Amino acid sequence: EAEVAQSPRYKITEKSQAVAFWCDPISGHATLYWYRQILGQGPELLVQFQDESVVDDSQLPKDRFSAERLKGVDSTLKIQPAELGDSAMYLCASSFIQGGGYTFGSGTRLTVV
Amino acid sequence: GIQVEQSPPDLILQEGANSTLRCNFSDSVNNLQWFHQNPWGQLINLFYIPSGTKQNGRLSATTVATERYSLLYISSSQTTDSGVYFCAVGGGNNRLAFGKGNQVVVIP
Repeated sequence: EAEVAQSPRYKITEKSQAVAFWCDPISGHATLYWYRQILGQGPELLVQFQDESVVDDSQLPKDRFSAERLKGVDSTLKIQPAELGDSAMYLCASSFIQGGGYTFGSGTRLTVV
Repeated sequence: GIQVEQSPPDLILQEGANSTLRCNFSDSVNNLQWFHQNPWGQLINLFYIPSGTKQNGRLSATTVATERYSLLYISSSQTTDSGVYFCAVGGGNNRLAFGKGNQVVVIP
C-alpha cells in the first residue's frame, strides 16, 4: 500500500537552532499539506501545496517557518530559529486532488529544549 | 472558519460493545473525513464521507450534510480500536479543519 514518507521520526533540538523536516507524498498526489498537532489537540494546517505552488500558507508563522516543494514532489518544512512553543507533532499529508481523501505520514515529533 | 465539535470527548468501552461518535459542524462542507490516531501518532483515514453512508468492516459512517452532522459507528469494539478519532471538514477554501477528537479506550 502506498505511503507518505516522513523523516526524521523524532527530533530534539535546542532553542534558537534550525530544524528541517522532509516529506515524500504518494506518487501522483498533486496536493501536499503540512499540519502541526499540539498534544491533546487536533491538527492545524500550516501550508498547502498544489504541485509546486503554495495555495494556502495563511497559518504559517512566516517569520520563522518556511516550506518548499521545488519540483512538485517532495517537500521540506524548516523552522529557524526554533522556540520552545514549537514542540509538537509535524504531520505531512497528500491527496490526489484538492478536496480529496488525505493520506498522512507517520509524522515528526519535535521537542525543543 | 468552520467550527467542528466532537462528542463525547472521552469514551470507555468494554470489548465487544458498540458506540457512536458524533461530529457537528457550523457551515456547509464539501469534504468530511474521519481519522483514527493510534498511540504512536499515526493518523489513519477511515472514511471520506461528505454525504451519505459508508461501511468498512466493523466501522460505518453517516453524514447528513443538510443538518450539519456526521456519525461514526463502531460495532463489536476491540482493544485495537483504542485511540483518538478525529472528524475533519472542509468548505470552499479546501482547508480541512479538525475537531478536538474523541478519546476512546476499549478495555478487555
